[in-house]
Amino acid sequence: TQLLEQSPQFLSIQEGENLTVYCNSSSVFSSLQWYRQEPGEGPVLLVTVVTGGEVKKLKRLTFQFGDARKDSSLHITAAQPGDTGLYLCAGSSYSGAGSYQLTFGKGTKLSVIP
Amino acid sequence: DSGVTQTPKHLITATGQRVTLRCSPRSGDLSVYWYQQSLDQGLQFLIQYYNGEERAKGNILERFSAQQFPDLHSELNLSSLELGDSALYFCASSVGVAVNTGELFFGEGSRLTVL
Repeated sequence: TQLLEQSPQFLSIQEGENLTVYCNSSSVFSSLQWYRQEPGEGPVLLVTVVTGGEVKKLKRLTFQFGDARKDSSLHITAAQPGDTGLYLCAGSSYSGAGSYQLTFGKGTKLSVIP
Repeated sequence: DSGVTQTPKHLITATGQRVTLRCSPRSGDLSVYWYQQSLDQGLQFLIQYYNGEERAKGNILERFSAQQFPDLHSELNLSSLELGDSALYFCASSVGVAVNTGELFFGEGSRLTVL
């Protein structure tokens, strides 16, 4: 079983601060996705990274895939209350018969205080 | 709105009972996935169906079963319920069979409480 460890588990910051959350594994993934989940809703995809060392930016969010494709980070600049939510990373690995399986981390619960 | 519909949104039942959760995928999506989310275990993959056939199995208990019907909707059956089965159950769908770089679209979940 491939495990994804996310840290920190909880993060509470003031509006305007910067933050980084981490997603680590001992396994290599074909790709890695980041989702955000708000209370009462299902996770929503933010980004997919595929190539080792890849960096993707989505407005104030910067996502990086580790060179060895085992880890990833999400950096948020000038956090806003609307960024509040559960951030989940998910690693994709081949499970045979043409299928890939997504393994999710337990998430980082972010609260941005106005 | 992801386009994935799950019913019921909330369900309260007793230990030993059986429940059925229903999922309608996004229009055009052939794959349906079931996940269980609890506070201590996070989001755990249960099972995937593609165009009516079981495609991949995760940590699904023998007391649980699922199927995907010809109209592509799916049902997750949970039987002999235990207190520990209380969780959020999510259905997700995708266009193809392989979710390597594609997006999973999640429903809003069914919250099951076993008393």
